[in-house]
Amino acid sequence: DIQMTQSPSSLSASVGDKVTITCRASQNIRTFLNWYQQKPGKAPKLLIYATSTLHDGALSRFSGSGSGTDFTLTISGLQPEDFASYYCQQSYSFSLTFGGGTLVDIK
Amino acid sequence: QVTLTESGPALVKPTQTLTLTCTFSGFSLTNHGMCLNWIRQPPGKALEWLALIDWDDERHYSTSLKTRLTISKDTSKNQVVLTVTNMDPMDTATYYCARAFSYNDAWILDSWGPGTLVTVSS
Repeated sequence: DIQMTQSPSSLSASVGDKVTITCRASQNIRTFLNWYQQKPGKAPKLLIYATSTLHDGALSRFSGSGSGTDFTLTISGLQPEDFASYYCQQSYSFSLTFGGGTLVDIK
Repeated sequence: QVTLTESGPALVKPTQTLTLTCTFSGFSLTNHGMCLNWIRQPPGKALEWLALIDWDDERHYSTSLKTRLTISKDTSKNQVVLTVTNMDPMDTATYYCARAFSYNDAWILDSWGPGTLVTVSS
């Protein structure tokens, strides 16, 4: 299986900060990388797919980049509603795999 | 409007078989380019993908769990069923079903159910 490694596992930030989360794949996955946001007690929500395409309803302060094995999710101007966990997920292989998650909390 | 709802027992005993049902509306699993996935999340831990079944009845399973998993669909009832055999306390988790659409031959999980918590304990 393709292993997905996220860093950091958690971070503290303030409202208005720019936040970057990285995701590394154990092999080349081209641009088959998706990002999800999950709030406590809720199901994940799709944010970005195919590395950089914003899903319907996702706000433009979220952006994604990368290719091959290294990817980033950037939140430009963190808002109170962005404090959550974020997961990357590869869809290059039919055996889908998620990263370990990054918890973004309030500094 | 797409909706998905998971149902099944909240508590199972070790060694038992878990059967979960995902009932959905707002789309058809007979449509080309759609599939239904199961994903789980142990308390306080990361998401783990388990299985998918697509519109053409093609199935894929997690490599580490494939010997214990079976996924099936009933398109007339708009339901997908997952069975997990030989349940263990380590299988305690919230189990989610999620629809995926095909984008450039890749599955994108765009709609999720609220999840159902399954606890494994004697």
